[in-house]
Amino acid sequence: SQTIHQWPATLVQPVGSPLSLECTVEGTSNPNLYWYRQAAGRGLQLLFYSVGIGQISSEVPQNLSASRPQDRQFILSSKKLLLSDSGFYLCAWSPASEAFFGQGTRLTVV
Amino acid sequence: GQQVMQIPQYQHVQEGEDFTTYCNSSTTLSNIQWYKQRPGGHPVFLIQLVKSGEVKKQKRLTFQFGEAKKNSSLHITATQTTDVGTYFCAGHISNFGNEKLTFGTGTRLTIIP
Repeated sequence: SQTIHQWPATLVQPVGSPLSLECTVEGTSNPNLYWYRQAAGRGLQLLFYSVGIGQISSEVPQNLSASRPQDRQFILSSKKLLLSDSGFYLCAWSPASEAFFGQGTRLTVV
Repeated sequence: GQQVMQIPQYQHVQEGEDFTTYCNSSTTLSNIQWYKQRPGGHPVFLIQLVKSGEVKKQKRLTFQFGEAKKNSSLHITATQTTDVGTYFCAGHISNFGNEKLTFGTGTRLTIIP
């Protein structure tokens, strides 16, 4: 069966520090992968999505970037975090239509 | 830009009352999905509707897809405390040949016991 792993679960980082969140999918190949961000009590904002290795589409201009170095690996990065980057980051994969989410990373920038 | 909106943003209901959330897209959707996110958790897939005018039921939940495939609704009959959470609709929107999954703004349901 397919599973999605996302880590870490929680993260507290100072303003200006770098960020790297990793997401991996097991049990499938060539999945569509997504990064979403959810501010406290708000909806899901699509940040990046990828249909294949090295193929990244960015939805919102910001200081975040994403990479897909391997078929089942999706990485969210930042060189310098801002306070506004705080939120709940969710990785998701979609084999066909519905999406399956990782457990999420709760990022607090202080 | 392409958007998927939901109303209401928040809904507080007495336990046992019904609840409905509405989803509207600015563009035609190939399908509509519904997800539930419990407080502190991640969204979990509930159901997918594909056909124009389609209606599906899951116990006390009824899902509808509009005739024009641009709107949808989720109705919960006789709410229970376990229904607490945020309900999201989502649809695939074509973007230069790729279909990206775009979520609605969500409706947060709280139940008054």
